[in-house]
Amino acid sequence: EAGVAQSPRYKIIEKRQSVAFWCNPISGHATLYWYQQILGQGPKLLIQFQNNGVVDDSQLPKDRFSAERLKGVDSTLKIQPAKLEDSAVYLCASSPPGTSGRATQYFGPGTRLLVL
Amino acid sequence: GNSVTQMEGPVTLSEEAFLTINCTYTATGYPSLFWYVQYPGEGLQLLLKATKADDKGSNKGFEATYRKETTSFHLEKGSVQVSDSAVYFCALSSPDMRFGAGTRLTVKP
Repeated sequence: EAGVAQSPRYKIIEKRQSVAFWCNPISGHATLYWYQQILGQGPKLLIQFQNNGVVDDSQLPKDRFSAERLKGVDSTLKIQPAKLEDSAVYLCASSPPGTSGRATQYFGPGTRLLVL
Repeated sequence: GNSVTQMEGPVTLSEEAFLTINCTYTATGYPSLFWYVQYPGEGLQLLLKATKADDKGSNKGFEATYRKETTSFHLEKGSVQVSDSAVYFCALSSPDMRFGAGTRLTVKP
């Protein structure tokens, strides 16, 4: 079974530029998550999708971050404009249907973003 | 709010030593508890989990028991190997996932 795919793996941009990350979850997984992991910290949830609807985006900085999951499969996370403090690893995870609340989440390898 | 506090690192052990990484949690209700591991350059992988009090999760020689009375989920392994060197994250789901800050383990030959 293929795992969660993410691209790109690394990205270096200058502040005020825009950037987009892509995630393809495990086939059949209804729930998709985006996390931000700052160096030395645990992952922090940015947004959770159930199929193509948003379940939780309370910690997403909506003035600069946006995410979509068209057709309920793959997803993109965008930052525009980027700030220095956005330097982090962006992790995508997915979980199977019918397990909300106690689901095991399966993580992709992450995209490491450096904002200069 | 829900939160997880885990032992600060880094932890350095010799091969075959005993490992304990402490994890305590604060949550309303009855969360599920998880340990995830992150090897260098890779994403997080589920190591083990427990969904109710007194459950013991185990995998690859690692164990953790869900202790409701002490709100703890400590990770243990009897004999670590160099290949266990990684960052370990304790997490809870109630229902949203909250992670601890991670504990870096280095095992020396």
